[in-house]
Amino acid sequence: DSGVTQTPKHLITATGQRVTLRCSPRSGDLSVYWYQQSLDQGLQFLIQYYNGEERAKGNILERFSAQQFPDLHSELNLSSLELGDSALYFCASSARQGLGETQYFGPGTRLLVL
Amino acid sequence: GQQVMQIPQYQHVQEGEDFTTYCNSSTTLSNIQWYKQRPGGHPVFLIQLVKSGEVKKQKRLTFQFGEAKKNSSLHITATQTTDVGTYFCAGLNFGNEKLTFGTGTRLTIIP
Repeated sequence: DSGVTQTPKHLITATGQRVTLRCSPRSGDLSVYWYQQSLDQGLQFLIQYYNGEERAKGNILERFSAQQFPDLHSELNLSSLELGDSALYFCASSARQGLGETQYFGPGTRLLVL
Repeated sequence: GQQVMQIPQYQHVQEGEDFTTYCNSSTTLSNIQWYKQRPGGHPVFLIQLVKSGEVKKQKRLTFQFGEAKKNSSLHITATQTTDVGTYFCAGLNFGNEKLTFGTGTRLTIIP
């Protein structure tokens, strides 16, 4: 158990819909990262927040957005969903803001878009 | 843009045999991390390498960072069934601080 929690565990929705994935970092960690893992794309870095502020951006689509709240939990919003958005979405956390920091991954949210 | 390739994509070995996965970056890296993901699980941090030519060991696992800081390897001696999983490298690009995960090597063990 990494100490990072993610909800929900599974999500099934339809194309065009919007969903919100939630992540709580390890106690004391200020950085939260979001990743997308699909069979054909591997593990893709989406975005990082540090202490409430956006710190780094990866391959995140414009239909996706995220935020980190004052209590440091984070949400990833996916809108206008497409079939290709079906994937495993991981959240990770680290103590500091550097991208080279050790990251602790949560169990993931499996999203299926039908 | 930065690319991080891993080879092989898949590796099947007999239990007790050695295993090596290689990670190659198109750009110079500040550091490289290695993660292991068990089937159905999430990536778990193994180690970070920072210095050119660095070698680190964790029991049966040996990690190397190339002299040019553009490649790395993970070697497992005498594999065990507990080593099953996908091994990812993640390179932090020198300069723009972009973290890129490798494509992963999936290791299966034949008992």
